[in-house]
Amino acid sequence: GAVVSQHPSWVICKSGTSVKIECRSLDFQATTMFWYRQFPKQSLMLMATSNEGSKATYEQGVEKDKFLINHASLTLSTLTVTSAHPEDSSFYICSARGGRDTQYFGPGTRLTVL
Amino acid sequence: KQEVTQIPAALSVPEGENLVLNCSFTDSAIYNLQWFRQDPGKGLTSLLLIQSSQREQTSGRLNASLDKSSGRSTLYIAASQPGDSATYLCAADSSGSARQLTFGSGTQLTVLP
Repeated sequence: GAVVSQHPSWVICKSGTSVKIECRSLDFQATTMFWYRQFPKQSLMLMATSNEGSKATYEQGVEKDKFLINHASLTLSTLTVTSAHPEDSSFYICSARGGRDTQYFGPGTRLTVL
Repeated sequence: KQEVTQIPAALSVPEGENLVLNCSFTDSAIYNLQWFRQDPGKGLTSLLLIQSSQREQTSGRLNASLDKSSGRSTLYIAASQPGDSATYLCAADSSGSARQLTFGSGTQLTVLP
């Protein structure tokens, strides 16, 4: 099956710094990528949808200036958490869709902001 | 806006039991319905995907059904094993131009040896 990777798998940073998370589709071209956030014992919440070469569409309540998404190629999307604060600590999961059907999910990135 | 609900939130059963997890969704205009498994601290593992035109899908000991008209899906796990312990998430893939998955809150399953 299709493989989606995320890097890093975990990151710890100080409050006020920026963190970049990469999401790659390894064996297919992803026309659309999705970024989710999951707090402990809660479900996945969609943050934004990005299409290659265009601006991301953010869900209501998600600050686009804080969570910068770049989908520069058909195999790579990045999420940058700018000026991270402890409340941004969460599990961030990306997914990629190449065709009409299945979204393939990455393994997730655990972000801890001290 | 699509809303997905899963019942129960948590379930504990002895090994060997057959069990049913429930998922309901408010908007029947879906492209497909998917069931995922998530182990603690890990990403999602896709279990079954049911297209909107289908009524059920089977994989091994897992069987998922879909009733679009009533907005319901069930995941049936036969002969449960301790290794089945995980959180099970269902997600509705909305039809239309803005395709996206809406997740339920999950059912945390514990299978006791």
